[in-house]
Amino acid sequence: NSKVIQTPRYLVKGQGQKAKMRCIPEKGHPVVFWYQQNKNNEFKFLINFQNQEVLQQIDMTEKRFSAECPSNSPCSLEIQSSEAGDSALYLCASSLRTISGNTLYFGEGSRLIVV
Amino acid sequence: AQKVTQTQTSISVMEKTTVTMDCVYETRDSSYFLFWYKQTASGEIVFLIRQDSYKKENATEGHYSLNFQKPKSSIGLIITATQIEDSAVYFCAMRDLASSSFSKLVFGQGTSLSVVP
Repeated sequence: NSKVIQTPRYLVKGQGQKAKMRCIPEKGHPVVFWYQQNKNNEFKFLINFQNQEVLQQIDMTEKRFSAECPSNSPCSLEIQSSEAGDSALYLCASSLRTISGNTLYFGEGSRLIVV
Repeated sequence: AQKVTQTQTSISVMEKTTVTMDCVYETRDSSYFLFWYKQTASGEIVFLIRQDSYKKENATEGHYSLNFQKPKSSIGLIITATQIEDSAVYFCAMRDLASSSFSKLVFGQGTSLSVVP
């Protein structure tokens, strides 16, 4: 069973609505990644954090997507104004360190459907 | 740039047999890390096994093992004594040092495995 906890498992939003997903990383893991997986099983990296600090993010997330990992609270990914193309499985992963050799552990994902 | 390719879209095997899933990768780095994950029907992505490029021995983990052929940039996943519960989509993924010290995983397209009784 996943030790990375993501909520909600499913969310349905109308176009233009906000969509917010949460992630509790595995205990002791300071590094958190968000990925988007589309219906073709393609993964797109969105953003990653070390503790509360953003390490990298793609251009897309700087416009309608926002994310944070506050101290002592779940990490979150929010889409300010959902679009049909945002329908996807949003996966959170955590790891012990930032270096490449560390394994990422994933949650079950939050499936967003934008109608 | 990094690239991971899984050419097998889907495989069907009989229960209790052995299956091999192929994966080839591209990287300019001499040091890199290869991972296999499986995604269950619920969407959960489970880490299975990894191979560090500097290690010559093939990794093994339970009924999973790897066939690492570095000169061919190939990392095959071997599942022995398959079970119905192994039915899932299997992803090969890579991280290297060239892209960034905060490097993200690059995934292949996935191979859907169906284990039938």
